[in-house]
Amino acid sequence: DTGVSQDPRHKITKRGQNVTFRCDPISEHNRLYWYRQTLGQGPEFLTYFQNEAQLEKSRLLSDRFSAERPKGSFSTLEIQRTEQGDSAMYLCASSLHNEEKLFFGSGTQLSVL
Amino acid sequence: GESVGLHLPTLSVQEGDNSIINCAYSNSASDYFIWYKQESGKGPQFIIDIRSNMDKRQGQRVTVLLNKTVKHLSLQIAATQPGDSAVYFCAELVDGNKLVFGAGTILRVKS
Repeated sequence: DTGVSQDPRHKITKRGQNVTFRCDPISEHNRLYWYRQTLGQGPEFLTYFQNEAQLEKSRLLSDRFSAERPKGSFSTLEIQRTEQGDSAMYLCASSLHNEEKLFFGSGTQLSVL
Repeated sequence: GESVGLHLPTLSVQEGDNSIINCAYSNSASDYFIWYKQESGKGPQFIIDIRSNMDKRQGQRVTVLLNKTVKHLSLQIAATQPGDSAVYFCAELVDGNKLVFGAGTILRVKS
């Protein structure tokens, strides 16, 4: 257990529904990252925060995706109007701002039917 | 080595043998590299990292080698154990702030 918690572990939804995932990073970590991973692939960067500021979003990130980290602690990732192609493992990771090493949570597995 | 797509390269080794997992990275400006292990249903777990001013770094039973000339990274696992069976990913730090991952290599340890 790395200390990064993600909830829920699994989510099954119907196409067109909205879903929200939560990540609680290691408490002293001020950087928080979201990645997406599909079967047979490595994690793909989506976005990251330093404290409450969202500093970068992947160009691949659809405008249906939004992430927040309102108080610089936990973060949420929302996907609106889900599509079958959104089915993936959504991973959260955190780090100290002066360290490159990321600590990953166990992920949220999303299945869009 | 790394590949793109659903067919990950697979390395099968006998328990007790040494394993070598290879990775080619793309960005010659990257100055930090890292290996992760991922077991089924879990998130990636840190194994070892290395900066570009080094060509070798050793941990407990693991060694990472970096060849900047050919942009190649390798992970050596000594005395491979069944618990080492997993998917292994290399990643490079891009733009100084995010890790970019390769597709992974499956390691299978035969008892």
